[in-house]
Amino acid sequence: TQLLEQSPQFLSIQEGENLTVYCNSSSVFSSLQWYRQEPGEGPVLLVTVVTGGEVKKLKRLTFQFGDARKDSSLHITAAQPGDTGLYLCAGALGNYKLTFGKGTLLTVNP
Amino acid sequence: SQTIHQWPATLVQPVGSPLSLECTVEGTSNPNLYWYRQAAGRGLQLLFYSVGIGQISSEVPQNLSASRPQDRQFILSSKKLLLSDSGFYLCAWSGTSGGGRGTQYFGPGTRLTVL
Repeated sequence: TQLLEQSPQFLSIQEGENLTVYCNSSSVFSSLQWYRQEPGEGPVLLVTVVTGGEVKKLKRLTFQFGDARKDSSLHITAAQPGDTGLYLCAGALGNYKLTFGKGTLLTVNP
Repeated sequence: SQTIHQWPATLVQPVGSPLSLECTVEGTSNPNLYWYRQAAGRGLQLLFYSVGIGQISSEVPQNLSASRPQDRQFILSSKKLLLSDSGFYLCAWSGTSGGGRGTQYFGPGTRLTVL
């Protein structure tokens, strides 16, 4: 059973388009992290959201934590080829362990 | 600032040979430490975690073991590798204080190929 459902699994878009990645669960998380990973490298933390309804912005990336702390979304505005990578969401269940979604592989074509 | 190191970066080993992957963290004390395996560049599977020296919790029964001989050192081992042990192994650390709870920081990874 996948605790965190991440969608879509694959996304290929043109430079300048907008996109949204979703992360959904039936579990309540104490926090949720978004990571970006490039081939052959470790995941790099983008953001941690903690409070239900919280919205954080990182340049063209907007992260939202659901009011009930069960889901999250990542919105990218005007995507660029440098945004290409694997985006992973991970939820903390309060004991410092994370459960990961399967990831969204994003390709932004010039 | 904190940094996390893993070595080796890549490793090719024959089936049945032993394994030792090392992870060290700098710039923090008493971190929680984690070993993950990532298959086919997708989601991460937690293998082991440690909340202190000599304290290891195993998440998935398998051919691997972990040890934490020092506060900031975490080692992943196997006595006899299987083909199914191939994958990308990631070490991570997290702080033990409440702020930013749950946030883990990852090392660069080790690509293991068992032939």
